[in-house]
Amino acid sequence: DVKVTQSSRYLVKRTGEKVFLECVQDMDHENMFWYRQDPGLGLRLIYFSYDVKMKEKGDIPEGYSVSREKKERFSLILESASTNQTSMYLCATRPLQGAARQPQHFGDGTRLSIL
Amino acid sequence: DQQVKQNSPSLSVQEGRISILNCDYTNSMFDYFLWYKKYPAEGPTFLISISSIKDKNEDGRFTVFLNKSAKHLSLHIVPSQPGDSAVYFCAARANNAGNMLTFGGGTRLMVKP
Repeated sequence: DVKVTQSSRYLVKRTGEKVFLECVQDMDHENMFWYRQDPGLGLRLIYFSYDVKMKEKGDIPEGYSVSREKKERFSLILESASTNQTSMYLCATRPLQGAARQPQHFGDGTRLSIL
Repeated sequence: DQQVKQNSPSLSVQEGRISILNCDYTNSMFDYFLWYKKYPAEGPTFLISISSIKDKNEDGRFTVFLNKSAKHLSLHIVPSQPGDSAVYFCAARANNAGNMLTFGGGTRLMVKP
């Protein structure tokens, strides 16, 4: 069974702070993703990574960066947090093998509030 | 502009009846569709998928129908159970977009006992 662990369930930060959200998976999956979920907008892709040290922008990368130094860990970084980044953040993984028909596996999410 | 739309933000159904959740899309490059279910305080979990070469896929109580000409898919749950109460997301993948999924806004299903 795939285990995707997000380091915090709830996080409160202040405007202008640098914020790190961590995601760890235990299935040796190559692909990892960061989404944010907002009411009525569904899940929107921020960044994804094909493999270690590789990253691609998603639909809404502005204000975010990512780091993938090890295969099992994918970090989302808010360089200077703003109130419009208050959201639910979801990490997902997927294996490369058979990727075309493989679903993504999600963590339980981090609810981030920026004050 | 949302390429995947779920026009009903919520749906209420009596236990034992059929639940029908709808999803419309605009991108003709989408060739694979998925449904995810999400409970509060949990991440989405994969439910069922369908390839564009099919028009129906069934898995137990869950059936997904795809109408390519109308760019419409639907998820049928029969019979509905209170444990099915959750938010359901439709997602689509384009054949030229590699790993990326595009999600709809979600529909909250409430199944009343």
